[in-house]
Amino acid sequence: QQQVKQSPQSLIVQKGGISIINCAYENTAFDYFPWYQQFPGKGPALLIAIRPDVSEKKEGRFTISFNKSAKQFSLHIMDSQPGDSATYFCAASRASGSRLTFGEGTQLTVNP
Amino acid sequence: EAGVAQSPRYKIIEKRQSVAFWCNPISGHATLYWYQQILGQGPKLLIQFQNNGVVDDSQLPKDRFSAERLKGVDSTLKIQPAKLEDSAVYLCASSSFRKKLYNEQFFGPGTRLTVL
Repeated sequence: QQQVKQSPQSLIVQKGGISIINCAYENTAFDYFPWYQQFPGKGPALLIAIRPDVSEKKEGRFTISFNKSAKQFSLHIMDSQPGDSATYFCAASRASGSRLTFGEGTQLTVNP
Repeated sequence: EAGVAQSPRYKIIEKRQSVAFWCNPISGHATLYWYQQILGQGPKLLIQFQNNGVVDDSQLPKDRFSAERLKGVDSTLKIQPAKLEDSAVYLCASSSFRKKLYNEQFFGPGTRLTVL
């Protein structure tokens, strides 16, 4: 019930392409869904987040799509750049301030 | 605004030894989290503090792990005795509800522990 499943495990995209990472959750009590970006040797950093009352949120080249009925959400990176090469984690939590449950991570490589 | 500080950045110990990690959260952040990130996996919460009280330690192996947050600011996480499977990056994060973003947690750089 507390798991968040993430796919794919790794992704290789050409510069300018679209990167898509998917996550699914079981616990319907989750009400906050952030995506974190992590570079080697660094801690995760918040990229973008969504609440279940909206189906999509866009910030620059990054978009979260959220499907409450399917209990799935995804990250789309438009016009992917080599600087986007990092590990991306989806996460979910039940209430403000409670623990984040993370997915397994997706290692994104954007080739120049 | 200074970020979350952690030390040491790297630690190598023998199994059965003890080790301690230190975290200084962002100034004014009442909530502090310790996560364990095993190589190739997402972070997993070990313990959460609200000021100096424990909110969630359900996933903390209490037979060997302990943590404290004296005076509601800095925190230390201790492992005694360490096992091989404790090799991981230990991440500290903090959050404040005064921020407009919902439950945003700010992470430190982590301490990479290797147990030999």
